[in-house]
Amino acid sequence: AQSVSQHNHHVILSEAASLELGCNYSYGGTVNLFWYVQYPGQHLQLLLKYFSGDPLVKGIKGFEAEFIKSKFSFNLRKPSVQWSDTAEYFCAVNFNDYKLSFGAGTTVTVRA
Amino acid sequence: DTAVSQTPKYLVTQMGNDKSIKCEQNLGHDTMYWYKQDSKKFLKIMFSYNNKELIINETVPNRFSPKSPDKAHLNLHINSLELGDSAVYFCASTPGLAGRQETQYFGPGTRLLVL
Repeated sequence: AQSVSQHNHHVILSEAASLELGCNYSYGGTVNLFWYVQYPGQHLQLLLKYFSGDPLVKGIKGFEAEFIKSKFSFNLRKPSVQWSDTAEYFCAVNFNDYKLSFGAGTTVTVRA
Repeated sequence: DTAVSQTPKYLVTQMGNDKSIKCEQNLGHDTMYWYKQDSKKFLKIMFSYNNKELIINETVPNRFSPKSPDKAHLNLHINSLELGDSAVYFCASTPGLAGRQETQYFGPGTRLLVL
């Protein structure tokens, strides 16, 4: 069955630390990959997305993600986080159908 | 100039009641969605409409009935509310039908609490 898993439920780190959030999916076919972010009290918004081409994609606010097809992974990274990066992060996958399947989300808390 | 708006923002009601949540998008998009986010923040799609036609209907109790009077609106009516319906309901839209590579634009969510 197609599924999306995010390994970290809650990540707590200090400002300027590096962040990496894991995302794996189970499906052998073509996928379209997304990371969405939900800041406190705000709606979900797109951070970045990958469809094809260079597997390293850059998004807004200094985030990037790398698609590793052999590992079925699409991990999100940021070299140096800020307090304003405190948010809920969702990996989402389109399994070549008409909907998005979301991971369970990772809560990121950045301490000043 | 809100892109995707939902009303109400908060909804507190008793078990057994019937309630509706409304969604409107002014982006000119063809496809709209309803998602349910449970207490563990897990987001799951419920329905999708393209130009007023139902294209996705996940395993959702038939107490939930979506209605799309036009492509800019997708409302969600819930009959006989149960405690387990308490959640945040998000509306979203995408420009085209397939939505495979398209960014989803989300509304602010409606927090439903059933007592």
